[in-house]
Amino acid sequence: GAVVSQHPSWVICKSGTSVKIECRSLDFQATTMFWYRQFPKQSLMLMATSNEGSKATYEQGVEKDKFLINHASLTLSTLTVTSAHPEDSSFYICSARDRVAYEQYFGPGTRLTVT
Amino acid sequence: RKEVEQDPGPFNVPEGATVAFNCTYSNSASQSFFWYRQDCRKEPKLLMSVYSSGNEDGRFTAQLNRASQYISLLIRDSKLSDSATYLCVVPNTGGFKTIFGAGTRLFVKA
Repeated sequence: GAVVSQHPSWVICKSGTSVKIECRSLDFQATTMFWYRQFPKQSLMLMATSNEGSKATYEQGVEKDKFLINHASLTLSTLTVTSAHPEDSSFYICSARDRVAYEQYFGPGTRLTVT
Repeated sequence: RKEVEQDPGPFNVPEGATVAFNCTYSNSASQSFFWYRQDCRKEPKLLMSVYSSGNEDGRFTAQLNRASQYISLLIRDSKLSDSATYLCVVPNTGGFKTIFGAGTRLFVKA
C-alpha cells in the first residue's frame, strides 16, 4: 500500500524555538496534503490543507503565521511550528491524498514536546 | 450541530460479543464515508469505506442511512485485537477536507 513518512517521529524542543516536521509520500504523488493535530484523548483536528504549489488553507482558529506550511513538490510538505510554546505540545499527523487514486493515507505522526 | 458526531463510549465488551457504533453527520450532500481505526499513539488506519448503502468485510459491517444521516459500524465476534478507537470520517462537500469524529473507544476483554 501507499506509504507516507514523517520526520522526525518525536522531538523535544525548548520554548521559543522553531520545529520543522516533514511529510513525504514515498510511492505516489500527492496534490493535496493535510495536517492534523491530536491532543491526548481527543480526535484529530484538521489544521490546514495544502495543495502543491499554492498557499495552504487554514482552519478557523489556527494561526497561519505560527504554523507555516510549505508544499513545494508533489511528494513533500513541511509544517514549521514557530516560537513553540508548551501548549503546542501535541501529536501532529500529516495525510496525503493520492493524485490518481484519490485515496488518503496517513503518516505515522510526530510527537512534539515543548519544554 | 457538529459536522460529525459519534457515540462517546467507551464500550467494554467481552470477547465474542457483537458491538455497534453510530456516527451522525450534518452535511446531507456527503457522498462517501469512512471508518478508521486508531491504536494508541499511532496514526489512523482505514478500516472501511462506505459509498452506497453499506459495506461488509469479514466481521465488520458498515451501514449508511441517508435519510437519518448516520452510518454505523458493526463488529461481530469481537477479538481482543479489536480494542482501539474507531473514527468516523466524512469528507466535506467536494472532498476538499476530511472531518473526523471524536472517536469511540472500544475495549474487548478476555
